[in-house]
Amino acid sequence: EVQLVESGGGLIQPGGSLGLSCAASGFTVSSTYMSWVRQAPGKGLEWVSIIYPGGNTYYADSVKGRFTISRDYSKNTLYLQLNSLRAEDTAMYYCARGGATTPFDYWGQGTLVTVSS
Amino acid sequence: SYELTQPPSVSVSPGQTASITCSGDKLGDKYLCWYQQKPGQSPVVVIYQDTKRPSGIPERFSGSNSGNTATLTISGTQAMDEADYYCQSWDSSNHVVFGGGTQLTVL
Repeated sequence: EVQLVESGGGLIQPGGSLGLSCAASGFTVSSTYMSWVRQAPGKGLEWVSIIYPGGNTYYADSVKGRFTISRDYSKNTLYLQLNSLRAEDTAMYYCARGGATTPFDYWGQGTLVTVSS
Repeated sequence: SYELTQPPSVSVSPGQTASITCSGDKLGDKYLCWYQQKPGQSPVVVIYQDTKRPSGIPERFSGSNSGNTATLTISGTQAMDEADYYCQSWDSSNHVVFGGGTQLTVL
């Protein structure tokens, strides 16, 4: 059974850093497209970042230069490092399988990041 | 940047047909997906590649995509279909683009 479990969210001050994790089971993270999607409170979905099976990474303009997506083959886990956080980064962050010409067929439950002083 | 436009809200009576649109420049030339999101839950894909339903999605959900408009159609809408619906496609760089979402009310 495919499962994605995010962790690492919390309350962080503006300018701070946070690392999110997404532990996968039922498939191999490194062999497929994996993405992060976020949703600000009461707002719509916003694509954040994607990592390709070959390792290429891409980012939304709103987070480019501040966020870094990565993965660990041995732990079968996807990561998102969030730096220089701003109030507008406050959102539920979901990891999802898919994203490059493929639909998001599995989503995690999300982890909430709140940026506030 | 590529944009997808959805109506903020759609209302439908139980048993009737609901249609939710998604518009974008030459959208019919791209693949489109639809996601359903109920309060407090993660999104679920209900349509992919314009018209395909994942296993487990009821047959009352269908999709079309032509010209500049894609449509999600829910036939015989049930109370359990009340949710937010998001369309999703890709821009010229193969980056994901979401529509703003449509709140479907069944009343």
